[in-house]
Amino acid sequence: DAKTTQPNSMESNEEEPVHLPCNHSTISGTDYIHWYRQLPSQGPEYVIHGLTSNVNNRMASLAIAEDRKSSTLILHRATLRDAAVYYCILRDDNQGGKLIFGQGTELSVKP
Amino acid sequence: NAGVTQTPKFRVLKTGQSMTLLCAQDMNHEYMYWYRQDPGMGLRLIHYSVGEGTTAKGEVPDGYNVSRLKKQNFLLGLESAAPSQTSVYFCASSRHLTGRGQETQYFGPGTRLLVL
Repeated sequence: DAKTTQPNSMESNEEEPVHLPCNHSTISGTDYIHWYRQLPSQGPEYVIHGLTSNVNNRMASLAIAEDRKSSTLILHRATLRDAAVYYCILRDDNQGGKLIFGQGTELSVKP
Repeated sequence: NAGVTQTPKFRVLKTGQSMTLLCAQDMNHEYMYWYRQDPGMGLRLIHYSVGEGTTAKGEVPDGYNVSRLKKQNFLLGLESAAPSQTSVYFCASSRHLTGRGQETQYFGPGTRLLVL
């Protein structure tokens, strides 16, 4: 299974942008890049995903490097409710769509 | 829609006891998954199911059994609980995979299990 590398923790100030990096140098051509986040004492929730092109949705943006070996999740204006563990996951539907979670990045947001 | 629900929310077991965790989804999803999460760790896949009547092993299947008799339910069983199975258990579901890696997983709130 392809692996991802993320910083253990990051800090941000409220209402400022946050860039969460992820390295995935062994990514294969069929792997999609998924991001999930886990709020305290809750199950993970989907944030965004992409293959090659940058993606935007109401929660965040995903910037994918041209060689696909790294990506960045962008929260445009962090709020206190965005404090969570963010997981960058490579997903291959040939394996039942299972998600392989790493340790993720714990994001703390200061008021 | 309730989404994904899990029963019970919390349970304490003694070593050697058995129990069944129930996961239910009302989204008509084909795929269902059981994960466990230990303190400070990411989730690890125990078993999963790609449809009614089918199951497959994940990363850490030992000590667990599963059944998917109905499409909406996925049961996780511990035949003889051990302290190493103390964890938070999450169930998830997703629609039929299209082969494009796009289907998202929807997670339940978790079951906290303590084995003494």
